[in-house]
Amino acid sequence: SQTIHQWPATLVQPVGSPLSLECTVEGTSNPNLYWYRQAAGRGLQLLFYSIGIDQISSEVPQNLSASRPQDRQFILSSKKLLLSDSGFYLCAWSQRGGISYEQYFGPGTRLTVT
Amino acid sequence: SQQGEEDPQALSIQEGENATMNCSYKTSINNLQWYRQNSGRGLVHLILIRSNEREKHSGRLRVTLDTSKKSSSLLITASRAADTASYFCATDPVGGSTLGRLYFGRGTQLTVWP
Repeated sequence: SQTIHQWPATLVQPVGSPLSLECTVEGTSNPNLYWYRQAAGRGLQLLFYSIGIDQISSEVPQNLSASRPQDRQFILSSKKLLLSDSGFYLCAWSQRGGISYEQYFGPGTRLTVT
Repeated sequence: SQQGEEDPQALSIQEGENATMNCSYKTSINNLQWYRQNSGRGLVHLILIRSNEREKHSGRLRVTLDTSKKSSSLLITASRAADTASYFCATDPVGGSTLGRLYFGRGTQLTVWP
């Protein structure tokens, strides 16, 4: 069966510090991968999606970046965090080439920028 | 915007009652999906209904889809306190890429009181 991992679960970082959040998927190959951010009590904002190694698309301009160094690894980074980067970050995957694109989510990372 | 929009934003009911949540969207879709999110957790896929389907059941869940009105409803029958969560609809638009991009609404917060 497939599983998706995210770490860390929670993170408190000062403004201006760097960020690295990691997501890995097990039990599938060539997945589509996604990074979302969810502000408190709000919906999901798609940040990045990827269809393959080093193939990243960005939905919104921001000071975040994403990388996919391996097929089942997706990393969200920032060189300098802003207060507005606080939120709940979710990684998800879907089956590439599927008929319907159900997405499967990780447990999330709660980021607080102070 | 291609996002779905859930209604109501919040719903509070007693155990044993039925809960109905609605989702409206703007573009033609291949399918519509409902997800559940417990507080502080990732989203969990509940049910998918294709554009050529009108109704679908899964346990205590009943989903309807009216493509002429571009709307869907999620009914949870005989609700339990454990059903307390946020519920999101997500649309897979016609003409969307193979990236599997879904458009999520802002969710309905359901509270079921024991």
